[in-house]
Parts: sequence; C-alpha cells; structure tokens
Amino acid sequence: KNQVEQSPQSLIILEGKNCTLQCNYTVSPFSNLRWYKQDTGRGPVSLTIMTFSENTKSNGRYTATLDADTKQSSLHITASQLSDSASYICVVGVNYGGSQGNLIFGKGTKLSVKP
Amino acid sequence: DTAVSQTPKYLVTQMGNDKSIKCEQNLGHDTMYWYKQDSKKFLKIMFSYNNKELIINETVPNRFSPKSPDKAHLNLHINSLELGDSAVYFCASSQDPLSRTTDGYTFGSGTRLTVV
Repeated sequence: KNQVEQSPQSLIILEGKNCTLQCNYTVSPFSNLRWYKQDTGRGPVSLTIMTFSENTKSNGRYTATLDADTKQSSLHITASQLSDSASYICVVGVNYGGSQGNLIFGKGTKLSVKP
Repeated sequence: DTAVSQTPKYLVTQMGNDKSIKCEQNLGHDTMYWYKQDSKKFLKIMFSYNNKELIINETVPNRFSPKSPDKAHLNLHINSLELGDSAVYFCASSQDPLSRTTDGYTFGSGTRLTVV
C-alpha cells in the first residue's frame, strides 16, 4: 500500500533556530518527492521537488534531502522565521506510465515558530 | 492576480442541501483536480480532468459530480450533503496529467465546507 508518513506531527521552535522534518514513504513505482508548505487557510505551495537521482535540493533557507534506498526524506529549515509557521507536507509522486500517475500526500508536520 | 481561484471560500449549509463550488485557473493549464482535505489534514484526490475530459475518478460517492465547461474551469456539485462531507476542498491545476508527478502543480486557497 502506498503510504507517506511524516514526523513529528507538530513542532514548536524559537525564531532563529534550525529544525528538521522527516518523511518516510512506501510508494511504488516512485517518481519524485516534493515538499509543500501550507499556510493556515491557504492551499499548499511547492518548496522543492526531487527525482530518484537527486539527493539534495535547496530553496532559500529550505533544504530537502532524499535517500531513495531507505525511502526517507528530510526538510531542513535554517534560521527559522515567524513566517515559517505552517504545515509542511511531504508528497510522493507515483508514475504508472503513460499519463497515469498520482500524488500520495503525508499528513504534514505543523511547525510553530515563536518569537 | 490569482492563478487558481475557488468560490466560495466558506460554505455553511444544512444536511440534505445541494451546493456547488467553482474553480477557475488562468495559467493556461490543461489539467484540473479536486482534492479533499479532512479533519486529519490528509489531502486526497477526488477527480481529475484533462482538457474537459474526466481522467481520474477516485472512490467518491456519486453525490459528487464534477463539471468542466472548458479547460479553465472545473466545478464541483454536491447533492444531498451529509455531515461527513464537511472538509476543505482544494482545486488544483497542472500543465498536463504528468505534471502531477513532476512539477507545475498549483493549488487554490480552498473552500471550507461545513454541513450542519
């Protein structure tokens, strides 16, 4: 069964600190892995996307890693800001070939950055 | 200049009513989707249309009927609303069906539906 598990469920950190969010997946056939940021009351916005051959990708203060062997990914946030408070969702793409595919969503990690 | 816009943003209605949620995208994308995000925050795909044709129809009660008058619009009509339909519904679009698994996936801001 295709599944994406994220940890922790929620996290509170102080402004300026770093943090790392985890994502484990059992998805096949794997196509890519992406991290989304979802602000309260808004739709998800893509942060990074990685294919099988990529093991790290950065977007400003966000750095995602991917270990396709262990089927794990992490999202590291550096020097957190209050505006980083949001849910971070790990999403794994499944490509069945042709135009058939799907996205499997994790439940997300709710990050709160406090002053 | 919103790329994917949904209306209404909030919808409160009684059980048994019929309601519609509208979605429009101005990105020139060929593929549009409806997702449901329940209280557990899971996002699950409901429908996908490519150039006005239905290409994904997940296990969703047939009370839910999508309608795509053109490739820039995908509306969701719900008949005989039930308490369990309460959720946030997100519209999304991508350049083509394969963009679902690569990139170019844009979400709307969501419609919070509350059935009382």
